[in-house]
Amino acid sequence: GENVEQHPSTLSVQEGDSAVIKCTYSDSASNYFPWYKQELGKRPQLIIDIRSNVGEKKDQRIAVTLNKTAKHFSLHITETQPEDSAVYFCAASPNNAGNMLTFGGGTRLMVKP
Amino acid sequence: KAGVTQTPRYLIKTRGQQVTLSCSPISGHRSVSWYQQTPGQGLQFLFEYFSETQRNKGNFPGRFSGRQFSNSRSEMNVSTLELGDSALYLCASSTRTGGNSPLHFGNGTRLTVT
Repeated sequence: GENVEQHPSTLSVQEGDSAVIKCTYSDSASNYFPWYKQELGKRPQLIIDIRSNVGEKKDQRIAVTLNKTAKHFSLHITETQPEDSAVYFCAASPNNAGNMLTFGGGTRLMVKP
Repeated sequence: KAGVTQTPRYLIKTRGQQVTLSCSPISGHRSVSWYQQTPGQGLQFLFEYFSETQRNKGNFPGRFSGRQFSNSRSEMNVSTLELGDSALYLCASSTRTGGNSPLHFGNGTRLTVT
């Protein structure tokens, strides 16, 4: 089955700096890669996703890049703000697995004012 | 639209008991997935239901089961509870299955087994 590894497990940045979270996956059949943000005590919320036919996707301060050859994808947050502080999860899913997502272990991002 | 609704929010059970958790998806969503979240194992897929049929199942013992009703509401059941079943159980709904459609999570049911 799919295995997703996520690094780093914790990340501390100064407000206004950029943050990068990296994930690798094992199943070459995976073709959907969402990112979720989970604030303390709240539900995971989808912040951005990318499909395998696209190498990069941006949404305001958030961008995701995908390298299918190397089987890794990354989340980039620019101009970080204190409200970006949360746990971020990457995930991967093959096309034939319905809505089954395999999640990475999570990254706790702390943005210091 | 109302979001995904899970009930109850909190549950405390004793080892050996069974428990049923409920999930109401977003209106119009026909796929419901269940995930277990623990500090040690992270987010793990339990199963997915679509049109009252189990679509996929994760690597959990048979004590974990689920079902979906004709109105897309879903329930999951855990029998013979163990201490290790203590977790946040998250339900997520989507408009379709396959095609990698975005999942919308509920706030979860926190189960504590003593």
